[in-house]
Amino acid sequence: EDQVTQSPEALRLQEGESSSLNCSYTVSGLRGLFWYRQDPGKGPEFLFTLYSAGEEKEKERLKATLTKKESFLHITAPKPEDSATYLCAVQAGSGAGSYQLTFGKGTKLSVIP
Amino acid sequence: SAVISQKPSRDICQRGTSLTIQCQVDSQVTMMFWYRQQPGQSLTLIATANQGSEATYESGFVIDKFPISRPNLTFSTLTVSNMSPEDSSIYLCSEVGLAGSETQYFGPGTRLLVL
Repeated sequence: EDQVTQSPEALRLQEGESSSLNCSYTVSGLRGLFWYRQDPGKGPEFLFTLYSAGEEKEKERLKATLTKKESFLHITAPKPEDSATYLCAVQAGSGAGSYQLTFGKGTKLSVIP
Repeated sequence: SAVISQKPSRDICQRGTSLTIQCQVDSQVTMMFWYRQQPGQSLTLIATANQGSEATYESGFVIDKFPISRPNLTFSTLTVSNMSPEDSSIYLCSEVGLAGSETQYFGPGTRLLVL
């Protein structure tokens, strides 16, 4: 059974204080690892897809990295508007139709001015 | 990505009643899905909404409780039947637009409270 564990559950940072969020996963045949951002009262917003170990992707203050067992979402010099819950999900299996995402519970990030 | 809308955005319902949630996408998409996000829990896939045929349900979810329709490539409905307080949750639809793409984009969600 595919499993995704995110840590920490909650993280409070001062504005400008860089940190990382962790996503550990156990899957049979990773097709992709996804990061989403979810603001209160809204649906998840897509951030990144990573497909293979060693891959990195960046968007503004965010950088996502992937190893064979975990992914990190690095936040550099965060601002209050980065406050949100960050969700990690994995997609596993092979062949057409293997679209199911298994999500972690998320990390709630609060950036204090 | 396509723009996804859901109706209603929130509702408060009585035990034993049913609610139908609509998901509209502004362009034709390959796949549509329905998820549930219970308080403090991760998003869980309920089913894949198949165009013109019966939905494909995940373990733990059944058609009698969560009937789904997808009459065309841009619209789907999820009904939560015979509701109990345990059905209080956020219900989200998602889509995969391009054949061969794995990325799912989500709608804004429907917040359901069952009393």
